[in-house]
Formats: sequence, C-alpha cells, structure tokens
Amino acid sequence: DQQVKQNSPSLSVQEGRISILNCDYTNSMFDYFLWYKKYPAEGPTFLISISSIKDKNEDGRFTVFLNKSAKHLSLHIVPSQPGDSAVYFCAASAAGGTSYGKLTFGQGTILTVHP
Amino acid sequence: NAGVTQTPKFRVLKTGQSMTLLCAQDMNHEYMYWYRQDPGMGLRLIHYSVGEGTTAKGEVPDGYNVSRLKKQNFLLGLESAAPSQTSVYFCASSFPGPQYFGAGTRLSVL
Repeated sequence: DQQVKQNSPSLSVQEGRISILNCDYTNSMFDYFLWYKKYPAEGPTFLISISSIKDKNEDGRFTVFLNKSAKHLSLHIVPSQPGDSAVYFCAASAAGGTSYGKLTFGQGTILTVHP
Repeated sequence: NAGVTQTPKFRVLKTGQSMTLLCAQDMNHEYMYWYRQDPGMGLRLIHYSVGEGTTAKGEVPDGYNVSRLKKQNFLLGLESAAPSQTSVYFCASSFPGPQYFGAGTRLSVL
C-alpha cells in the first residue's frame, strides 16, 4: 500500500526547458510535503517544501504546487540545467504541518537534463 | 560543517553476523531517523528518535534495534544479519524544519 507515488520512473528534458515532476498521495492526513534531490553515492538533499495551507511555494528556479482536492503535487524546475540531473523524491508528513516524525517517500523520478 | 556523518560507508557481512551503524550529527537536532533505500521503493523509515533516550518504531523495524544514549548519536544495530537486509541505509536529523541526511552506508549481507 504505497501512500506516496511517483508514477514516472524517469524524465528527460532539454537544457533551458521546464521540468515537471509529479507526485500523488492517498493519505488525507498528510499536511506537509517536501521534495528532495539525490545524486549517486550521496544522501538526499532537501530542495523545497510546502504546507497544506498553501497551494504554491517558490524558491528560485524551483516551484512546488499542491492540489489538495486531487491529492497531487508537482515540482517545476525552470529553466532546467544539466546539474539538475538527479533522482527526485517527494515525501509527505502527517505531523501537524512539520516534518517531525515519519516521512513517507515516493519511489523517486530520475531526471536527466540534456545540454 | 559536518552535518550528519555516517560510519562505515561500506560493509559486507555474512548471514548471522552482527554489526552497528553509527550516525552522528553536530546540528543539535532533537529528532533523528534511520531509513533504508531499496531499488524502486524509495526510502522507508526503520526507527526514529524524538530526543535523547527515546526511540520509536517506523515502517520496517523488524530485525533492527536502535539506541540514542547521546543527543548527537543514533545507533542502528543488526543482531543477526539476513540477506534481506542488504540495502543502503541513511540517517537523518531535524529540528525544526526539513530532515537532513547523511551520505549513506551500503550494506551487503551474503
């Protein structure tokens, strides 16, 4: 029973274009969502987060959108750069709007940005 | 800035052997976590701690034990390793805000 799903195992985009990574969840108790980026042989690195009281959060080239009614979130990267090539994980928490306690992760999406 | 440090980075065990993975953080975080990552399954929480001297079970706790004797350290133990425990193990810490991860320990059980 996978509560957080990333249905696209991989995504390939051209440098300078937009990358859109998607994530769906089933648990309506989730109220805090995060995106992590992971390079090979390294640990996941926090990228951006969003609380369920918001529907959008921006940080530079990265924007996360949350659609609570559809239980769907997405990460937009604009413009995409070759250095963005990595595995991206979405994660969710049901800890009162924080990331305390348990994080439930999706399976990850491999993003490849071609020069 | 060391952040979260995991030792060892690699280990090969035989079935039935025991070992301890060490996680150390220098950010004075209250919360610490142990995850395992298997191909196609993302990260799954094994155990976590909300403060010195406390531990709690995560999603996949069987076959593992943990201890948090000092605030900065979180130990993960395998008493009798099994091939199913072959995985990459990640430690993380937080307070407040997002969890910060170590570089991981790659464990193979033969």
